[in-house]
Amino acid sequence: GQQLNQSPQSMFIQEGEDVSMNCTSSSIFNTWLWYKQDPGEGPVLLIALYKAGELTSNGRLTAQFGITRKDSFLNISASIPSDVGIYFCAGRDMEYGNKLVFGAGTILRVKS
Amino acid sequence: SAVISQKPSRDICQRGTSLTIQCQVDSQVTMMFWYRQQPGQSLTLIATANQGSEATYESGFVIDKFPISRPNLTFSTLTVSNMSPEDSSIYLCSVLGKQRSDTQYFGPGTRLTVL
Repeated sequence: GQQLNQSPQSMFIQEGEDVSMNCTSSSIFNTWLWYKQDPGEGPVLLIALYKAGELTSNGRLTAQFGITRKDSFLNISASIPSDVGIYFCAGRDMEYGNKLVFGAGTILRVKS
Repeated sequence: SAVISQKPSRDICQRGTSLTIQCQVDSQVTMMFWYRQQPGQSLTLIATANQGSEATYESGFVIDKFPISRPNLTFSTLTVSNMSPEDSSIYLCSVLGKQRSDTQYFGPGTRLTVL
């Protein structure tokens, strides 16, 4: 199936640092969703973005829907140990029947 | 958001057998989705389960291998048939958001290991 280009693939950062990850696509997306998955759990929705240019925050998390509708980023400020996990971007692709397409994930590890 | 539960949460099965995974949602939903997540990989859509009609399968997935039932608007099952070790994955049920249908939520997943 289709995938988004998500980077970085993994990150190992110091507690308290800010984190940034992004996704790009060759297709125009209607919606961008960011999920976090802990080991043994299903993905949990963190932030949903619905229109180009939208900037949305959820606590220490901030995400933006790119103006071109082909990219999105997620920032985590002042990381803490419980931020550890896999972060997935996902988008609704108009060319793919508006189904949800997932990035490959960013593995975040935090050094305390 | 919808509350989604899945049974079993995990199972270890023998090659050649079949396992049926159940998904229950706390409210009525039009569409339910089944995803597979292979070890260390992202999520791949298997099929869309429609109430009252046959499921719609994605390329690479067939009904004989992954039969799906959708008897009502709150429940669906996915069967993994004639299993092989390559079927070892997490299987996830998913539904659209109630307030925004372009949002999507996932169940806790069923971790399947095939020996």
